[in-house]
Amino acid sequence: EAQVTQNPRYLITVTGKKLTVTCSQNMNHEYMSWYRQDPGLGLRQIYYSMNVEVTDKGDVPEGYKVSRKEKRNFPLILESPSPNQTSLYFCASSLSDRFVQPQHFGDGTRLSIL
Amino acid sequence: GENVEQHPSTLSVQEGDSAVIKCTYSDSASNYFPWYKQELGKRPQLIIDIRSNVGEKKDQRIAVTLNKTAKHFSLHITETQPEDSAVYFCAARRDSSYKLIFGSGTRLLVRP
Repeated sequence: EAQVTQNPRYLITVTGKKLTVTCSQNMNHEYMSWYRQDPGLGLRQIYYSMNVEVTDKGDVPEGYKVSRKEKRNFPLILESPSPNQTSLYFCASSLSDRFVQPQHFGDGTRLSIL
Repeated sequence: GENVEQHPSTLSVQEGDSAVIKCTYSDSASNYFPWYKQELGKRPQLIIDIRSNVGEKKDQRIAVTLNKTAKHFSLHITETQPEDSAVYFCAARRDSSYKLIFGSGTRLLVRP
Protein backbone atom coordinates (compact mmCIF):
# COMPACT_ATOMS: atom_id res chain seq x y z
CA GLU A 1 0.00 0.00 0.00
CA ALA A 2 1.32 3.43 -0.99
CA GLN A 3 1.76 5.53 2.10
CA VAL A 4 3.62 8.20 4.03
CA THR A 5 4.44 7.05 7.57
CA GLN A 6 5.20 9.42 10.42
CA ASN A 7 6.44 8.52 13.89
CA PRO A 8 5.61 9.18 16.60
CA ARG A 9 1.93 10.08 16.21
CA TYR A 10 1.85 11.84 19.55
CA LEU A 11 4.61 13.22 21.76
CA ILE A 12 4.64 15.27 24.93
CA THR A 13 8.07 16.53 25.91
CA VAL A 14 9.82 19.38 27.66
CA THR A 15 11.57 22.52 26.49
CA GLY A 16 15.12 21.97 25.28
CA LYS A 17 15.03 18.20 24.90
CA LYS A 18 16.07 17.31 21.34
CA LEU A 19 13.55 15.29 19.37
CA THR A 20 13.21 13.81 15.91
CA VAL A 21 10.02 13.08 14.00
CA THR A 22 10.56 10.50 11.29
CA CYS A 23 8.87 10.41 7.91
CA SER A 24 9.12 7.59 5.41
CA GLN A 25 7.42 7.04 2.05
CA ASN A 26 7.28 3.88 -0.05
CA MET A 27 6.33 5.45 -3.39
CA ASN A 28 9.84 6.35 -4.61
CA HIS A 29 8.86 10.02 -4.56
CA GLU A 30 11.58 12.60 -5.13
CA TYR A 31 9.82 15.46 -3.36
CA MET A 32 9.14 15.52 0.38
CA SER A 33 7.99 18.31 2.65
CA TRP A 34 7.15 19.15 6.24
CA TYR A 35 4.23 21.34 7.33
CA ARG A 36 2.90 22.53 10.63
CA GLN A 37 -0.80 23.13 11.17
CA ASP A 38 -2.04 25.66 13.69
CA PRO A 39 -5.64 26.85 14.25
CA GLY A 40 -6.57 29.70 11.93
CA LEU A 41 -3.26 29.54 10.07
CA GLY A 42 -3.75 26.56 7.81
CA LEU A 43 -0.71 24.54 6.83
CA ARG A 44 2.63 26.30 6.69
CA GLN A 45 5.65 24.78 5.02
CA ILE A 46 8.71 24.27 7.23
CA TYR A 47 11.24 22.61 4.91
CA TYR A 48 11.13 20.70 1.68
CA SER A 49 13.45 18.42 -0.27
CA MET A 50 13.60 18.00 -4.03
CA ASN A 51 15.76 14.87 -3.85
CA VAL A 52 18.50 13.19 -1.84
CA GLU A 53 20.86 15.74 -0.25
CA VAL A 54 18.79 18.65 -1.65
CA THR A 55 16.74 20.60 0.87
CA ASP A 56 15.43 24.16 1.18
CA LYS A 57 13.60 26.36 3.66
CA GLY A 58 9.87 26.87 3.54
CA ASP A 59 7.99 29.70 5.20
CA VAL A 60 8.65 28.85 8.87
CA PRO A 61 12.04 27.07 9.14
CA GLU A 62 13.26 28.68 12.38
CA GLY A 63 13.97 26.14 15.10
CA TYR A 64 13.88 23.13 12.77
CA LYS A 65 16.40 21.05 10.85
CA VAL A 66 15.96 18.37 8.24
CA SER A 67 18.10 15.87 6.38
CA ARG A 68 17.61 13.76 3.26
CA LYS A 69 20.25 11.05 3.21
CA GLU A 70 17.96 8.49 1.58
CA LYS A 71 15.17 8.98 -0.89
CA ARG A 72 12.50 7.39 1.29
CA ASN A 73 13.25 9.21 4.58
CA PHE A 74 12.95 12.86 5.57
CA PRO A 75 13.27 13.36 9.34
CA LEU A 76 12.35 16.61 11.09
CA ILE A 77 14.68 17.57 13.93
CA LEU A 78 13.96 19.97 16.75
CA GLU A 79 17.34 20.57 18.39
CA SER A 80 15.99 22.63 21.30
CA PRO A 81 12.17 22.53 21.25
CA SER A 82 10.21 25.44 22.68
CA PRO A 83 6.51 25.77 23.59
CA ASN A 84 5.77 27.76 20.40
CA GLN A 85 6.59 24.62 18.43
CA THR A 86 3.61 22.86 19.95
CA SER A 87 1.62 22.00 16.85
CA LEU A 88 0.32 19.32 14.51
CA TYR A 89 2.96 18.32 11.97
CA PHE A 90 2.43 16.70 8.59
CA CYS A 91 4.92 15.15 6.23
CA ALA A 92 4.03 14.95 2.54
CA SER A 93 5.58 13.51 -0.60
CA SER A 94 5.01 13.64 -4.34
CA LEU A 95 6.59 12.77 -7.64
CA SER A 96 8.73 15.55 -8.98
CA ASP A 97 8.85 15.96 -12.69
CA ARG A 98 8.25 18.76 -15.16
CA PHE A 99 4.75 19.39 -13.86
CA VAL A 100 3.53 19.75 -10.31
CA GLN A 101 2.16 16.53 -8.84
CA PRO A 102 -0.39 16.08 -6.04
CA GLN A 103 1.03 15.59 -2.59
CA HIS A 104 0.33 12.60 -0.34
CA PHE A 105 0.18 13.38 3.38
CA GLY A 106 1.09 11.29 6.38
CA ASP A 107 -1.30 10.87 9.33
CA GLY A 108 0.29 13.68 11.33
CA THR A 109 2.31 14.02 14.52
CA ARG A 110 0.89 16.00 17.41
CA LEU A 111 3.73 17.57 19.43
CA SER A 112 3.26 19.21 22.81
CA ILE A 113 6.27 21.07 24.21
CA LEU A 114 5.88 21.93 27.89
CA GLY B 1 5.66 37.24 -0.28
CA GLU B 2 3.22 34.82 -1.80
CA ASN B 3 -0.02 34.24 0.03
CA VAL B 4 -3.43 32.69 -0.46
CA GLU B 5 -6.52 34.15 1.17
CA GLN B 6 -9.49 31.88 1.77
CA HIS B 7 -13.10 32.81 2.60
CA PRO B 8 -15.24 32.19 4.50
CA SER B 9 -13.51 30.74 7.55
CA THR B 10 -16.71 28.92 8.54
CA LEU B 11 -19.72 27.92 6.45
CA SER B 12 -22.91 26.26 7.59
CA VAL B 13 -25.39 24.93 5.03
CA GLN B 14 -28.49 22.77 5.05
CA GLU B 15 -28.15 19.28 3.65
CA GLY B 16 -28.88 19.36 -0.07
CA ASP B 17 -27.84 22.98 -0.52
CA SER B 18 -24.71 24.10 -2.34
CA ALA B 19 -21.52 25.38 -0.72
CA VAL B 20 -18.96 27.71 -2.27
CA ILE B 21 -15.49 28.46 -0.90
CA LYS B 22 -13.33 31.13 -2.49
CA CYS B 23 -9.59 31.70 -2.60
CA THR B 24 -7.45 34.53 -3.92
CA TYR B 25 -3.75 34.17 -4.64
CA SER B 26 -1.04 36.78 -4.96
CA ASP B 27 1.59 35.10 -7.16
CA SER B 28 0.52 35.59 -10.78
CA ALA B 29 2.90 32.80 -11.84
CA SER B 30 0.90 30.21 -9.87
CA ASN B 31 -0.45 27.55 -12.19
CA TYR B 32 -1.53 24.64 -9.99
CA PHE B 33 -4.43 24.89 -7.54
CA PRO B 34 -5.35 21.87 -5.39
CA TRP B 35 -8.13 21.57 -2.84
CA TYR B 36 -7.78 19.39 0.23
CA LYS B 37 -10.41 18.05 2.61
CA GLN B 38 -9.44 17.36 6.20
CA GLU B 39 -11.81 15.49 8.45
CA LEU B 40 -11.44 15.82 12.20
CA GLY B 41 -8.22 14.16 13.37
CA LYS B 42 -7.29 13.01 9.88
CA ARG B 43 -4.73 13.94 7.23
CA PRO B 44 -5.51 16.42 4.44
CA GLN B 45 -6.67 14.54 1.34
CA LEU B 46 -6.69 15.88 -2.18
CA ILE B 47 -10.24 16.09 -3.53
CA ILE B 48 -9.76 18.00 -6.75
CA ASP B 49 -7.12 20.12 -8.47
CA ILE B 50 -6.94 22.39 -11.47
CA ARG B 51 -4.17 23.71 -13.66
CA SER B 52 -4.09 27.16 -15.14
CA ASN B 53 -4.72 25.98 -18.69
CA VAL B 54 -8.35 25.16 -17.84
CA GLY B 55 -11.08 27.33 -16.38
CA GLU B 56 -13.22 24.68 -14.75
CA LYS B 57 -13.02 21.06 -13.63
CA LYS B 58 -15.78 18.87 -12.28
CA ASP B 59 -15.85 15.56 -10.43
CA GLN B 60 -19.34 14.39 -9.50
CA ARG B 61 -20.67 16.82 -6.86
CA ILE B 62 -17.54 18.96 -6.63
CA ALA B 63 -16.19 21.47 -9.10
CA VAL B 64 -13.45 24.06 -9.14
CA THR B 65 -13.40 27.23 -11.21
CA LEU B 66 -10.38 29.39 -11.93
CA ASN B 67 -10.21 33.04 -12.97
CA LYS B 68 -6.57 33.78 -13.78
CA THR B 69 -7.20 37.41 -14.59
CA ALA B 70 -8.69 38.07 -11.17
CA LYS B 71 -6.34 35.55 -9.50
CA HIS B 72 -9.05 33.67 -7.72
CA PHE B 73 -10.44 30.16 -7.71
CA SER B 74 -13.43 28.58 -6.04
CA LEU B 75 -14.64 25.20 -4.82
CA HIS B 76 -18.28 24.36 -5.43
CA ILE B 77 -20.01 21.46 -3.68
CA THR B 78 -23.54 20.68 -4.81
CA GLU B 79 -26.18 18.57 -3.04
CA THR B 80 -24.20 18.68 0.19
CA GLN B 81 -24.33 15.73 2.56
CA PRO B 82 -23.41 15.49 6.27
CA GLU B 83 -20.24 13.58 5.34
CA ASP B 84 -19.06 16.69 3.48
CA SER B 85 -18.58 18.33 6.89
CA ALA B 86 -14.84 18.96 7.25
CA VAL B 87 -12.19 21.65 6.92
CA TYR B 88 -11.33 22.50 3.33
CA PHE B 89 -8.01 24.03 2.27
CA CYS B 90 -7.11 25.64 -1.01
CA ALA B 91 -3.51 25.98 -2.14
CA ALA B 92 -1.49 27.45 -4.98
CA ARG B 93 1.86 26.65 -6.53
CA ARG B 94 3.93 27.39 -9.61
CA ASP B 95 5.72 24.66 -11.60
CA SER B 96 9.11 26.29 -11.07
CA SER B 97 8.72 26.31 -7.28
CA TYR B 98 8.40 23.53 -4.78
CA LYS B 99 6.49 25.71 -2.33
CA LEU B 100 2.82 24.95 -1.89
CA ILE B 101 1.04 27.92 -0.29
CA PHE B 102 -2.12 27.04 1.63
CA GLY B 103 -5.13 29.12 2.52
CA SER B 104 -6.17 29.28 6.16
CA GLY B 105 -9.02 26.81 5.75
CA THR B 106 -12.83 26.79 5.76
CA ARG B 107 -14.79 24.76 8.27
CA LEU B 108 -17.87 23.46 6.48
CA LEU B 109 -20.81 22.18 8.51
CA VAL B 110 -23.64 20.45 6.70
CA ARG B 111 -26.76 20.37 8.88
CA PRO B 112 -28.98 17.28 8.45
